[in-house]
Amino acid sequence: GDSVTQMEGPVTLSEEAFLTINCTYTATGYPSLFWYVQYPGEGLQLLLKATKADDKGSNKGFEATYRKETTSFHLEKGSVQVSDSAVYFCALSDLVRDDKIIFGKGTRLHILP
Amino acid sequence: EPEVTQTPSHQVTQMGQEVILRCVPISNHLYFYWYRQILGQKVEFLVSFYNNEISEKSEIFDDQFSVERPDGSNFTLKIRSTKLEDSAMYFCASRAGGGSTDTQYFGPGTRLTVL
Repeated sequence: GDSVTQMEGPVTLSEEAFLTINCTYTATGYPSLFWYVQYPGEGLQLLLKATKADDKGSNKGFEATYRKETTSFHLEKGSVQVSDSAVYFCALSDLVRDDKIIFGKGTRLHILP
Repeated sequence: EPEVTQTPSHQVTQMGQEVILRCVPISNHLYFYWYRQILGQKVEFLVSFYNNEISEKSEIFDDQFSVERPDGSNFTLKIRSTKLEDSAMYFCASRAGGGSTDTQYFGPGTRLTVL
């Protein structure tokens, strides 16, 4: 079945560092891809999404590009802030087939001031 | 901004007891979901619900689980006889519907601890 694999955490960076969190997926169809973020004590929030190959999702300085050839959707940010500390989940959903979301295990990000 | 709410935030129960987890989806949404996350593991789909019936359920969602929309605002998940392995964070989500790119909005979760 469909699945998502993302890099293990925790990831610890200094403020203003460049961030990459790797995510690859396996899917039989043409899924939409998502990054969700969970701040401490809060629910899962959609950070960005891309619905087809070569689409770039972006929000709050974060970006990810849907790469069909490498089945990847890596999350990047040029300069992280302490407030970006959270758990980040890569996910996919194939709404043609069903509408459940399949999540990766999550990557905890810790930004040091 | 409208949001999904869940109560309680933390529920502790004894093995074998029934629990009901409550969710209030966003008011004009039509599709409702439950997911769970066992500590240290992936967020897993449990069930989807539309038009007052289950649309899809995972193999986790066995006869011990049920969902209900008892009124126009609440969406509940009942576990009839809890097991130790039901201890997890349970997330409710809702979606407006009407498009293939609709977003699911998640609540803050209920942490269920079965002793």
